[in-house]
Amino acid sequence: KAGVTQTPRYLIKTRGQQVTLSCSPISGHRSVSWYQQTPGQGLQFLFEYFSETQRNKGNFPGRFSGRQFSNSRSEMNVSTLELGDSALYLCASSLDEQVRGYTFGSGTRLTVV
Amino acid sequence: GQNIDQPTEMTATEGAIVQINCTYQTSGFNGLFWYQQHAGEAPTFLSYNVLDGLEEKGRFSSFLSRSKGYSYLLLKELQMKDSASYLCAVRDRGFKTIFGAGTRLFVKA
Repeated sequence: KAGVTQTPRYLIKTRGQQVTLSCSPISGHRSVSWYQQTPGQGLQFLFEYFSETQRNKGNFPGRFSGRQFSNSRSEMNVSTLELGDSALYLCASSLDEQVRGYTFGSGTRLTVV
Repeated sequence: GQNIDQPTEMTATEGAIVQINCTYQTSGFNGLFWYQQHAGEAPTFLSYNVLDGLEEKGRFSSFLSRSKGYSYLLLKELQMKDSASYLCAVRDRGFKTIFGAGTRLFVKA
């Protein structure tokens, strides 16, 4: 079966712009989580969605937002980009609320210049 | 605050056994996970512990003590391909999954 698909793989944006990242979970998985990964900070939790509802949110500014659609696909948006937003953004899906483990996508590498 | 601590780096020899420790302080506990991440790749799920004790899966085993806020990942018969980062993660009371910074394991011949 297809894995978790994230698009685009790479993105270069300018400070002040906004960006939308997309994630398609494994078929049948209804939970989608987003993480930001940087060399110094490791994986930082952004959001978790389940059945179109945001169940959890990490400690990121309001410039970071997300949503989940009825087909479980998810998007995250970052507005007014800053240099510090440069990171690998990982999407992870799981089967149901009782998470036994995530399946991660390959990530979107965002570079802000 | 929530905190997950792991050693930053470890080095071990091919064929040996290595134990990677993880201690955590979180708002409640709903399971502990270990992931493996090779450089430039996404993390992959290794193990899940929710009850105290040892879970064995092939060359990899994971141990949990909830009263001590402690876990370890044991890798036996180390192979060069085991060189990777190992991430400890805890799901808290609110079902938020928090990751540690990871332990980079170097396996030498």
